[in-house]
Amino acid sequence: NAGVIQTPRHKVTGKGQEATLWCEPISGHSAVFWYRQTIVQGLEFLTYFRNQAPIDDSGMPKERFSAQMPNQSHSTLKIQSTQPQDSAVYLCASSSDRYAEQFFGPGTRLTVL
Amino acid sequence: QQQVRQSPQSLTVWEGETAILNCSYENSAFDYFPWYQQFPGEGPALLIAIRSVSDKKEDGGFTIFFNKREKNLSLHIKDSQPGDSATYFCAASGGSNAKLTFGKGTKLSVKS
Repeated sequence: NAGVIQTPRHKVTGKGQEATLWCEPISGHSAVFWYRQTIVQGLEFLTYFRNQAPIDDSGMPKERFSAQMPNQSHSTLKIQSTQPQDSAVYLCASSSDRYAEQFFGPGTRLTVL
Repeated sequence: QQQVRQSPQSLTVWEGETAILNCSYENSAFDYFPWYQQFPGEGPALLIAIRSVSDKKEDGGFTIFFNKREKNLSLHIKDSQPGDSATYFCAASGGSNAKLTFGKGTKLSVKS
């Protein structure tokens, strides 16, 4: 069991560029979650999918952020026109169902210059 | 408004001692409380979790004590080792909502 895979591990973008982050959940898990971690705000929920359908995006900034889950083996988080305040570690987690334990990937560290 | 609070922010114990990390919450709908351990440069790793129908959960050297009436819980790490030095996060979720709400974490240092 490879665990949750996130790519890339590190990404550096210039202000105004687009960033796409990838997550491969644990095989067989039906729920995928995205969180963001910063020193100031800590760990914050962004959005989650169950059986590929978007369930709750209440944590997503209304502009520039979008997430998709086109198939059961991967999800993407896209940030358009990145800003320095978007710099954070973006974490993906998966679980076997919505009431089960969430297992986190290693995260993608996004740095916006 | 912080729904999950952790204390202390940092804690230093000697090797072999029991470390006690505290967590409190505000939302009565929370019924699932996992603790995560995180090392620098890694994602959080699930350590142990408790549901609100229980008041105690043990797993190896880790024990959660849960007080539903007071809306607080604590994680006891028995016989702490230097390898336990990490940041520990208390989280909560509840009802139909699967998303986790995290505390700010407790940074534990175990000195030998």
